[in-house]
Amino acid sequence: QVQLVQSGAEVKKPGASVKVSCKASGYTFTTSYMHWVRQAPGQGLEWMGIINLSGGTTNYAQTFQGRVAMTRDTSTSTVHMELSSLKSEDTAVYYCARDTSGAIPGDHWGQGTQVTVSS
Amino acid sequence: QTVVTQEPSLTVSPGGTVILTCASSTGVVTSGYYPNWFQQKPGQAPRALIYSTTNKHSWTPARFSGSLLGGKAALTLSAVQPEDEAEYYCLLYYDGAWVFGGGTKLTVL
Repeated sequence: QVQLVQSGAEVKKPGASVKVSCKASGYTFTTSYMHWVRQAPGQGLEWMGIINLSGGTTNYAQTFQGRVAMTRDTSTSTVHMELSSLKSEDTAVYYCARDTSGAIPGDHWGQGTQVTVSS
Repeated sequence: QTVVTQEPSLTVSPGGTVILTCASSTGVVTSGYYPNWFQQKPGQAPRALIYSTTNKHSWTPARFSGSLLGGKAALTLSAVQPEDEAEYYCLLYYDGAWVFGGGTKLTVL
């Protein structure tokens, strides 16, 4: 069965970077896309970007342009999301979510990774 | 900056019907926005319900349906069950990027 398993919680200082990983299993990795979505405490969902797992092309939300990088490692079926220049407002749960066609986002989700930014 | 707007909260009685809507600041929502709907319960990851306006996932209960209504995307819940109490989010596509609505907190009372 499809599984997306994310890396563990992180605590970072303002100005630092964080890299969250999402390991996929149970399907052919390169036939899909992966979205990254975050949710700040008590807030709604925020779309961050998408990566095509076949060619590695990305599309990021304007809010995160220049500060986010999504990459994939096809040898380990793992997707990474790195967010730099962290601020306290980046404290959130970060989710990866699979998309099988580029237009059917989130049929499967990772369990979420808590990222806390605090001095 | 594109804004997607949902009702902040709605209340429905068990067995009743409720319609949640999803509007775009750019104008009329069409099928070209590929409206998606998600359900999220406290402490859980979101769960996909509807994709591309009307299509259900294999796990989506029959009482959930998606449509376009009055220039917006809509999610209709019929014969509402207590377990449908949750936050509901729509997601719209804008030329390579996606934007979530602010969410609707549905109370079943």
